[in-house]
This record gives sequence, structure tokens and C-alpha cells, in this order.
Amino acid sequence: GNSVTQMEGPVTLSEEAFLTINCTYTATGYPSLFWYVQYPGEGLQLLLKATKADDKGSNKGFEATYRKETTSFHLEKGSVQVSDSAVYFCALRRTGNQFYFGTGTSLTVIP
Amino acid sequence: EAGVTQFPSHSVIEKGQTVTLRCDPISGHDNLYWYRRVMGKEIKFLLHFVKESKQDESGMPNNRFLAERTGGTYSTLKVQPAELEDSGVYFCASSPPGTSGYNEQFFGPGTRLTVL
Repeated sequence: GNSVTQMEGPVTLSEEAFLTINCTYTATGYPSLFWYVQYPGEGLQLLLKATKADDKGSNKGFEATYRKETTSFHLEKGSVQVSDSAVYFCALRRTGNQFYFGTGTSLTVIP
Repeated sequence: EAGVTQFPSHSVIEKGQTVTLRCDPISGHDNLYWYRRVMGKEIKFLLHFVKESKQDESGMPNNRFLAERTGGTYSTLKVQPAELEDSGVYFCASSPPGTSGYNEQFFGPGTRLTVL
């Protein structure tokens, strides 16, 4: 079946630290991969996506590369800011419209 | 352009009561989805409407849950009678017409349901 496993949180980092949130997936065929972010009090927002192997999605300084050989889509940012504090969800989408989400990783960035 | 809106933002009810959640999608979005996140777990798909028709309701947990989208605009999700395990955050999402797997889904802020 289809599933997403992402690293458990919560994660606490100091401002300007390097961030990695691991995400691996199980899927038949070739899914599209996504990272969504939920800031406090808001809905989920698309952060970035990749639709095929070796694609790199990037936005707001965040990056993730679709690695088919390791079935991974790890999220990285070189220097986090306090405003990046949020919950991050990795997700995949196969044919059709249903998303499969991970459990979410809560990130807190302290000044 | 207004985003996806959900009402109420938070609902606290007792076991056995009925609750109705509402979602207003982005105007013009034929596709509407309901998801649920039980505390600490993954966000799980419940169902998908295309206009007023249920395209996929494979994620609905049981017959205590009833979703409707009369007229193909807003949708309601009714839980009757509510049980303790129904507590969680219910998200609604919408996307433009078409079924491309690349289409972004736009999410609402969610309704936090607490069943006591």
C-alpha cells in the first residue's frame, strides 16, 4: 500500500541552525511527493513538491529531493528562522486525488 | 481570493451527541476533500467529492459519518452519534476541476473536535 514515514518530533533548534526532517515513503509506481506546513492557527499550506525522481522542490529556503533509490524526500533548510516554527507534513499522491500524509513533525526555532 | 473556510474552528461535545462540520471551498473548485488527524497521528483521507458526487469515500471510518455536498458548493460532515475516538482535527481541502495528480490541494484551517 501507500504510506509515509517521517521523523518524530518535536524538534527544537536555535536560529540559523541547519534543519533536516527525514521522510521516507512506500508506494506502488511513481508518486508525486509534497511537503506541507501548518503555521499556528492556520491551515496546511503547500511548501514544495516534486513530481518525478531526482526532481528538487524548493521554496522559502527549504529544499527536498525526490530520491527513488532510497524512497526518500527529506526536507532541509540551511539556516532556520523563528518564523519557520510550525508543523511539517510529508505527503505522497498517486493517481487519483487522495493524499497520504505522515504524522507531522513539530519544529520550534528559538532565538 | 478567499481560501477554504471551515466552521466551527473548535467544537466540544459529549459522547452520543451530534455534530456537523461545514466546509466552504474556494470558488470554482469542483474537488472537495475531507481529512482527519487524530492526535499525534497522520492526517488520513476520509472522502472526495467532485461537485456534488462522492468520488471516493473509502476513508470514511463507519456509518456514523455522513458527508454531503448539495449543489456542489459547500460541504457538511455530520457525526452521529459521536464517540470518544472521533476526537481530532478535521481538515477540508479543495482543488480546481480535473484529476491531475499534480494539482495542489488547498487546505482550510481545520475544525478541532473534542468528544468528552
